[in-house]
Amino acid sequence: KQEVTQIPAALSVPEGENLVLNCSFTDSAIYNLQWFRQDPGKGLTSLLLIQSSQREQTSGRLNASLDKSSGRSTLYIAASQPGDSATYLCAGGHDAGGTSYGKLTFGQGTILTVHP
Amino acid sequence: DGGITQSPKYLFRKEGQNVTLSCEQNLNHDAMYWYRQDPGQGLRLIYYSQIVNDFQKGDIAEGYSVSREKKESFPLTVTSAQKNPTAFYLCASSWTSDSYEQYFGPGTRLTVT
Repeated sequence: KQEVTQIPAALSVPEGENLVLNCSFTDSAIYNLQWFRQDPGKGLTSLLLIQSSQREQTSGRLNASLDKSSGRSTLYIAASQPGDSATYLCAGGHDAGGTSYGKLTFGQGTILTVHP
Repeated sequence: DGGITQSPKYLFRKEGQNVTLSCEQNLNHDAMYWYRQDPGQGLRLIYYSQIVNDFQKGDIAEGYSVSREKKESFPLTVTSAQKNPTAFYLCASSWTSDSYEQYFGPGTRLTVT
């Protein structure tokens, strides 16, 4: 059974700092790895998706990497801003074969606070 | 605007009552999903559907039921058999090919007293 762990559980940084959020998974046979942002009381916003055949994806100040062999993904946020404060969730997609395709297993999230 | 809508945003029910949460999408996605989120925990999959008139149990299906009569709609019923129904419920949808990237609705917060 896939298990996803996110470290740290919470992170507080000053504005402008570069930071890394970590995500590890136990089953390397994932189909994709998706990073989400969640603001308090809101739904999830997809940030980046990395296919199993890819090593990284970039969007603006965000860069996500995937290393299936070590069971790890990282989300790098450059030049952090107070508006980046939110909970960040990673989720591993199950292998696309059979009937389980599309299923995501989520980590518990990292609560990020960027203070001015 | 394309997207996923969930209604209502907040829902209050008495213990012992069944309640149905709405989820509608106009993204023309084939697959739809229901997740539950509790404080301090990640999202857990309740049910998912890959095609109309078909659905599969997720990891925590006990006490829940779903239907998929239309491609754009996937309502979730929380029955009186669900022991701890108070939670934040999130609906998502995706294509069933290519990236399977999931898109989420705004959620419904259910409180049962």
